[in-house]
Amino acid sequence: QVQLVQSGAEVKKPGASVKVSCKASGYIFTNFYLHWVRQAPGQGLEYMGVIYPDGGGTGYIQKFQGRLTITRDTSTTTLYMELSSLRSEDTAVYYCAREIPVTGNFDSWGQGTLVTVSS
Amino acid sequence: QSALTQPASVSGSPGQSITIPCTGTSSDIGTYNLISWYQQHPGKAPKLTISEVTRRPSGVSNRFSGSKSGNTASLTISGLQAEDEADYYCCSYAGGVTWIFGGGTKLTVL
Repeated sequence: QVQLVQSGAEVKKPGASVKVSCKASGYIFTNFYLHWVRQAPGQGLEYMGVIYPDGGGTGYIQKFQGRLTITRDTSTTTLYMELSSLRSEDTAVYYCAREIPVTGNFDSWGQGTLVTVSS
Repeated sequence: QSALTQPASVSGSPGQSITIPCTGTSSDIGTYNLISWYQQHPGKAPKLTISEVTRRPSGVSNRFSGSKSGNTASLTISGLQAEDEADYYCCSYAGGVTWIFGGGTKLTVL
């Protein structure tokens, strides 16, 4: 079955960077888009960006441009999200999610990774 | 781009029906039919509940249905059950690489 398994919780200081991984299995990795969505404590979902695993192209919403880098390793079917210049407002649960191409159907999600930014 | 607008909370008794509206603009919901809904129980990842405005993914109860009119999409849950109590989020494509979520609605089953 389709699984997206994310790395464990992280605690970072302001100004540092964090890299979260998402290991995909149970499907053809390059056939689906992969997105990152975050959720601050007690808040709603916030979209961050996408990678197209086949060619490796990426897209980031304006809010995160310059701070967000999404990459993938097709040999290990793993997705990565790196966020730099962390501030307290970046404290959130970060989710990877798979999209059936060009449908907006985020049909499978990782379990989430809590990133805490605190001095 | 601002979040789509949803009521913070709705409630209903078991067996009743409720509708959750999600209001956007002509740049997102009003233009695209790439609108989905997600159910999220506390401490869990979101779960796709409605896709492409009206489609129900395999395994989702037929008590869930979606619709759209103008700049507003809606999720209707009929025959409310205790297990439906959760947070619900709408999501719309907004062009380019941008997707926008609603602020979320907490459903309480009385």
